[in-house]
Amino acid sequence: AQTVTQSQPEMSVQEAETVTLSCTYDTSESNYYLFWYKQPPSRQMILVIRQEAYKQQNATENRFSVNFQKAAKSFSLKISDSQLGDTAMYFCAFMKGVSQGNLIFGKGTKLSVKP
Amino acid sequence: GAVVSQHPSWVICKSGTSVKIECRSLDFQATTMFWYRQFPKQSLMLMATSNEGSKATYEQGVEKDKFLINHASLTLSTLTVTSAHPEDSSFYICSARDPAGGPWDTQYFGPGTRLTVL
Repeated sequence: AQTVTQSQPEMSVQEAETVTLSCTYDTSESNYYLFWYKQPPSRQMILVIRQEAYKQQNATENRFSVNFQKAAKSFSLKISDSQLGDTAMYFCAFMKGVSQGNLIFGKGTKLSVKP
Repeated sequence: GAVVSQHPSWVICKSGTSVKIECRSLDFQATTMFWYRQFPKQSLMLMATSNEGSKATYEQGVEKDKFLINHASLTLSTLTVTSAHPEDSSFYICSARDPAGGPWDTQYFGPGTRLTVL
């Protein structure tokens, strides 16, 4: 069975600074996808960034980037130039294969961006 | 991007009654929908996978007779909490998979339904 571990229950960062959220996972699958989702106080799940396991290049979406270390089964999220609107719960998620569909979530990290 | 709606957004019911939650994909056909449950300050836990035209697949520990799922069309899945009890109070989130989403097999999430059972 796959597991996703987020070891930082809460983190805080000053506005405009950079913060890194950690995520590790365990799987025996060779083909899988990794995601970071954001859940603001509205509780709407928002996709932040995604990574295909077979791609070595780290994904980047504007201020958000990942450090994907496949051998170490690590998938950290870096947020640059943090903004107040980045305050939210962040969930790391794993999906097995293309057709499986269901996501396995970590316990989440509560990020607070302070002015 | 694709939109998934849920109705109602918040429902309060008395213990012993049944509550139906709807999940709709508004601009795409979803052959597969997922139902998650989220307790306060916790993560999302998959309850069941709903496939159009067939029976839902429930995760271990989820009572299928208590949480009835019907995926009658390509744009609608419903979750009915039968004989609700206070311990069923939670935040229920659905997501829908867009089969035309390419290799990403993207899931789109609804805004969630807060259920409070008195």
